[in-house]
Amino acid sequence: AQTVTQSQPEMSVQEAETVTLSCTYDTSESDYYLFWYKQPPSRQMILVIRQEAYKQQNATENRFSVNFQKAAKSFSLKISDSQLGDAAMYFCAYRKNQFYFGTGTSLTVIP
Amino acid sequence: EADIYQTPRYLVIGTGKKITLECSQTMGHDKMYWYQQDPGMELHLIHYSYGVNSTEKGDLSSESTVSRIRTEHFPLTLESARPSHTSQYLCASSHRDSREKLFFGSGTQLSVL
Repeated sequence: AQTVTQSQPEMSVQEAETVTLSCTYDTSESDYYLFWYKQPPSRQMILVIRQEAYKQQNATENRFSVNFQKAAKSFSLKISDSQLGDAAMYFCAYRKNQFYFGTGTSLTVIP
Repeated sequence: EADIYQTPRYLVIGTGKKITLECSQTMGHDKMYWYQQDPGMELHLIHYSYGVNSTEKGDLSSESTVSRIRTEHFPLTLESARPSHTSQYLCASSHRDSREKLFFGSGTQLSVL
């Protein structure tokens, strides 16, 4: 069975600082995809970043980067130079045949 | 970028009513999904479709039904709504060439009184 765990229900970060959101997952597969999705209040959920399990290099998208540790089944998201617009729920997700989502981390950005 | 629409955005109805939540996408995506989202909980897949006339139940047991008569349209129907159906319902779509990326609608917040 595949499960995704986000152990931080809430996080806060000072504007312009860096924050890391944690995610672990459970799988017996070797080839799969991992994602971080962002859901701002009352707005659509959008993709932040994506990682293929067969790639050793960590994905980056501007201020967003991941630390993918395949052996540890860990997939954390680092947000650098945090901005007010980064405030949202962040969901970690795993995909092999279907998507499996974590319970989310609510990120607050303090001005 | 993403053109996937859900209506209504909010819905409050009484117990026993039949309701249909609409979801349409204009991207020609073959795969469409319905998720149920409750506060502090993971998204649960309740239905999915990999193409016209193809529908499957997801991991979460649901009393709802879906249809996929057209590629762009994937409505979800509750024949008799109950308070336990109160939740947010998210529709999503993806294409085999989209590198597994899901596009989400804005969601329908359903409240059954």
